[in-house]
Amino acid sequence: GNSVTQMEGPVTLSEEAFLTINCTYTATGYPSLFWYVQYPGEGLQLLLKATKADDKGSNKGFEATYRKETTSFHLEKGSVQVSDSAVYFCALSEHNNAGNMLTFGGGTRLMVKP
Amino acid sequence: DGGITQSPKYLFRKEGQNVTLSCEQNLNHDAMYWYRQDPGQGLRLIYYSQIVNDFQKGDIAEGYSVSREKKESFPLTVTSAQKNPTAFYLCASSIRPGVGEQYFGPGTRLTVT
Repeated sequence: GNSVTQMEGPVTLSEEAFLTINCTYTATGYPSLFWYVQYPGEGLQLLLKATKADDKGSNKGFEATYRKETTSFHLEKGSVQVSDSAVYFCALSEHNNAGNMLTFGGGTRLMVKP
Repeated sequence: DGGITQSPKYLFRKEGQNVTLSCEQNLNHDAMYWYRQDPGQGLRLIYYSQIVNDFQKGDIAEGYSVSREKKESFPLTVTSAQKNPTAFYLCASSIRPGVGEQYFGPGTRLTVT
């Protein structure tokens, strides 16, 4: 079956530091890949996505590239802010008979200190 | 504004009581989903519905029930058979099954004592 593995947190950084959150996946076909962000006490918000190999998703200074050869979709940001403190979830979606199912990683908590 | 609403944000119940969580969307999406999130954990799929009057069990459906009588609404009932009901419950929708990303509501935190 499908699975998503993320680096365990928490990840603690100082403001303006470079961020990488690793995500690797296992899928039987050609999934779409997503990063979602969850702020404390809230639902998930879509941060970025990529639908095919070598696509780069980007939003709000965050980027991730769909790497089929390494089955990875690592999230990066060049300079984090305190407001980026949240939990980040990597997910994949592969259409099957059951429809558009999302498989989530366990989440990585990011804490950014001033 | 289009979106997904869940109510209430916080819900408290006594053990042995059934409780229903509301989820409404005005995005005209066909598919809707319910997830459970425990502290420090990822999301687990409870039930999903691809179309009105149809729904399927997810990975952890035991102790839960749903209905999909209207396209806009997908309420979740947590029954007394659910052994550990205290959790954060998230509702989501997608435009069609098999297409694109899911959009999430703000969640309902259920505490059962």
